[in-house]
Amino acid sequence: DTAVSQTPKYLVTQMGNDKSIKCEQNLGHDTMYWYKQDSKKFLKIMFSYNNKELIINETVPNRFSPKSPDKAHLNLHINSLELGDSAVYFCASSQGTGGINEKLFFGSGTQLSVL
Amino acid sequence: AQKITQTQPGMFVQEKEAVTLDCTYDTSDPSYGLFWYKQPSSGEMIFLIYQGSYDQQNATEGRYSLNFQKARKSANLVISASQLGDSAMYFCAMREEGNKLVFGAGTILRVKS
Repeated sequence: DTAVSQTPKYLVTQMGNDKSIKCEQNLGHDTMYWYKQDSKKFLKIMFSYNNKELIINETVPNRFSPKSPDKAHLNLHINSLELGDSAVYFCASSQGTGGINEKLFFGSGTQLSVL
Repeated sequence: AQKITQTQPGMFVQEKEAVTLDCTYDTSDPSYGLFWYKQPSSGEMIFLIYQGSYDQQNATEGRYSLNFQKARKSANLVISASQLGDSAMYFCAMREEGNKLVFGAGTILRVKS
């Protein structure tokens, strides 16, 4: 069983469309994240949820809206997609805070291409 | 301010030799954690090793070890006996205030046969 699974793996869409990426973890972790990896491979945190509650909201356009229906799921909805949104989006989870508990378990990534 | 600095954009190493990937960090928090991840060309992020700021010994995991020099704020990854499968992007990361991991820009490692 995949620990952190995200779908779809590839997403190709037109500018202006709305799309969602889904993420689920079966590790029993309380904290989930969305990271964005740009074309230069730089990884930057976007959001973090702890037990369905938003705790980190970096400077991200409000076209991006995370939703956590329960602590095992964290979805990312993107409105009015722009060319600059093209990137790989990683979902991740961690057990908690303190030391090795902060180790991130990553999903396999979603390659988003906006045409 | 840059919290994690990886100064080597790319490195080459001969198969079976050891290689050191550099990482320096900046924090005023006495309690912090440092992580290394590997990202092969397939794209997944693979956890390699962790070092806590209060750990007395340098972390080791198989062929990976961390050369932790607290006073110099460096946490270099050492890979011994390099293998072709070690060719990948390597990221150093640190927990920042707010319990988020921030990543360095990464180092691409190429292992030559």
